[in-house]
Amino acid sequence: AQSVTQLDSQVPVFEEAPVELRCNYSSSVSVYLFWYVQYPNQGLQLLLKYLSGSTLVKGINGFEAEFNKSQTSFHLRKPSVHISDTAEYFCAVSPSGGTGGYQKVTFGTGTKLQVIP
Amino acid sequence: KAGVTQTPRYLIKTRGQQVTLSCSPISGHRSVSWYQQTPGQGLQFLFEYFSETQRNKGNFPGRFSGRQFSNSRSEMNVSTLELGDSALYLCASSPSFNRGGNTIYFGEGSWLTVV
Repeated sequence: AQSVTQLDSQVPVFEEAPVELRCNYSSSVSVYLFWYVQYPNQGLQLLLKYLSGSTLVKGINGFEAEFNKSQTSFHLRKPSVHISDTAEYFCAVSPSGGTGGYQKVTFGTGTKLQVIP
Repeated sequence: KAGVTQTPRYLIKTRGQQVTLSCSPISGHRSVSWYQQTPGQGLQFLFEYFSETQRNKGNFPGRFSGRQFSNSRSEMNVSTLELGDSALYLCASSPSFNRGGNTIYFGEGSWLTVV
């Protein structure tokens, strides 16, 4: 079984300030990790994903995340946020081997990022 | 190419009625999944279809069902609607089944309100 914990349900941050959205996961097997973003009244879209290799993953819109296996974390960061980054961000995991398949993706409960002008 | 298309986008139903939601995946994608999103429960997996067969099912009652057609288009049905079924229903597609690293592509969702 696997689970995802997003510690902050809401994160307010001033425009041009840095932000970190926290994600911790629990799994008995190796995992792939994802961050998705949901803008108001839209579906989710992929920001970035970690499959293997470098633990620092760069995504779209200037976001990046670092996989820390020892701390079972995959925190999302951006050095300088814009108003347009206001959205809800979801961390997700799926098993990396066997017959897991993407359908076993488990999503966190989401973090709402509110960028303040 | 066109993204995942869901219809209708918004609908209002009465308790006890049934509803059918439709999803057209990205061209070439054969795997379709459905999720229910509510403020209290977040994103919950409903089921996944691949090659017209249900491959996985989440923890939802039998009132929730789905199917996939030979062209990969999918429908989900909720019978005997309850107020708690009010939610955003998201459809997602992926190129293939059984590969955990695949990116899931989501549609914009169908907003269902049960009154």
